[in-house]
Amino acid sequence: KQEVTQIPAALSVPEGENLVLNCSFTDSAIYNLQWFRQDPGKGLTSLLLIQSSQREQTSGRLNASLDKSSGRSTLYIAASQPGDSATYLCAVGSSNTGKLIFGQGTTLQVKP
Amino acid sequence: KAGVTQTPRYLIKTRGQQVTLSCSPISGHRSVSWYQQTPGQGLQFLFEYFSETQRNKGNFPGRFSGRQFSNSRSEMNVSTLELGDSALYLCASSRIGGGATDTQYFGPGTRLTVL
Repeated sequence: KQEVTQIPAALSVPEGENLVLNCSFTDSAIYNLQWFRQDPGKGLTSLLLIQSSQREQTSGRLNASLDKSSGRSTLYIAASQPGDSATYLCAVGSSNTGKLIFGQGTTLQVKP
Repeated sequence: KAGVTQTPRYLIKTRGQQVTLSCSPISGHRSVSWYQQTPGQGLQFLFEYFSETQRNKGNFPGRFSGRQFSNSRSEMNVSTLELGDSALYLCASSRIGGGATDTQYFGPGTRLTVL
């Protein structure tokens, strides 16, 4: 059964710091890995999608990597800003079940 | 292009009642997925519809059901509500593939409170 874990559960950093969020998954049978952002009480916004054959994807200050063999992904946020404060969710598209399996998320606070 | 819309945004029901939630996908999107989000269990997949057919389903009891119309709009229904059904229900749409293969676009959610 695919399980997705995100560490840490919460993170607080000063503005301007570079930071890394971690995601691990137990089953390498995946189509892709996706990172989402969720603001309090709102829906999810897709940030990056990495296909299983890819190693990384970049969008602006965000860079996500994927190591399928070790079951790990990282989301790197450069020069963090208070507007980056949100919960970041990692999800894997399981090729066994056809379902998107989510981690519990990392809640990020960037202090001015 | 308008995003995914969900109605109503907030609902308060009592145990034993039933509820219907609605989702309108992005124009041109044919796949609609539903998720339940709670503090304890996180985000869990309920079901996915494509071309009016349920294409995949999660591990929820039969009290949870859904359907999709010919214009791709979708509804989900929960019968005989229980306190544990209190959650944020999220709908997501994608062009053709389901959540496991395609980028999904999420609506703002419906906050259901069961008293």
